[in-house]
Amino acid sequence: EDKVVQSPLSLVVHEGDTVTLNCSYEVTNFRSLLWYKQEKKAPTFLFMLTSSGIEKKSGRLSSILDKKELFSILNITATQTGDSAIYLCAVLKVGNEKLTFGTGTRLTIIP
Amino acid sequence: EAGVAQSPRYKIIEKRQSVAFWCNPISGHATLYWYQQILGQGPKLLIQFQNNGVVDDSQLPKDRFSAERLKGVDSTLKIQPAKLEDSAVYLCASSLEIGGGWGTEAFFGQGTRLTVV
Repeated sequence: EDKVVQSPLSLVVHEGDTVTLNCSYEVTNFRSLLWYKQEKKAPTFLFMLTSSGIEKKSGRLSSILDKKELFSILNITATQTGDSAIYLCAVLKVGNEKLTFGTGTRLTIIP
Repeated sequence: EAGVAQSPRYKIIEKRQSVAFWCNPISGHATLYWYQQILGQGPKLLIQFQNNGVVDDSQLPKDRFSAERLKGVDSTLKIQPAKLEDSAVYLCASSLEIGGGWGTEAFFGQGTRLTVV
């Protein structure tokens, strides 16, 4: 059975801090790993990672994939209150495009 | 570009009643997903369609849940009869097939929050 495990489950930090969110996976026929941000109901897409060791960056957010150790990290630097959300990690399989999510990390930024 | 449309946004029903959710994916997206997200958990895949064919429905409780995607566009998800534990947000998502069995990231609708009392 495919598994996606995120840690920590919950994280509370002060504005300006840097955070690292973790995602590990056990999936057959792995194609890509995706990160989403969920503030209310609809998850919004952040990154899709397919190759190992290549960092993807968007403003203060960055992410990298390690296909040998089967994990990814999402970094957020200089956090702001608007970064408060649930961050979801998901894996996409080759062929059938099945998308399996982890439990998410709830990030709270204190002003 | 219009996003994934879902309705209704909210629904409250009594247990043992029936309910249906509707999803209109982004135009041209062949893959459509229905997820159930219970409070405090990640989205759980209920069913995945490729055009109007089912790719995966292994986690769909088929004794009470059903879904269809007629003509490979809109989709409906039905629960009959509902149980208290069905209270959740139901998310629909779609993605574009770009060939060779590969697709883009999934785009999500706003979801339907179902409360069963």
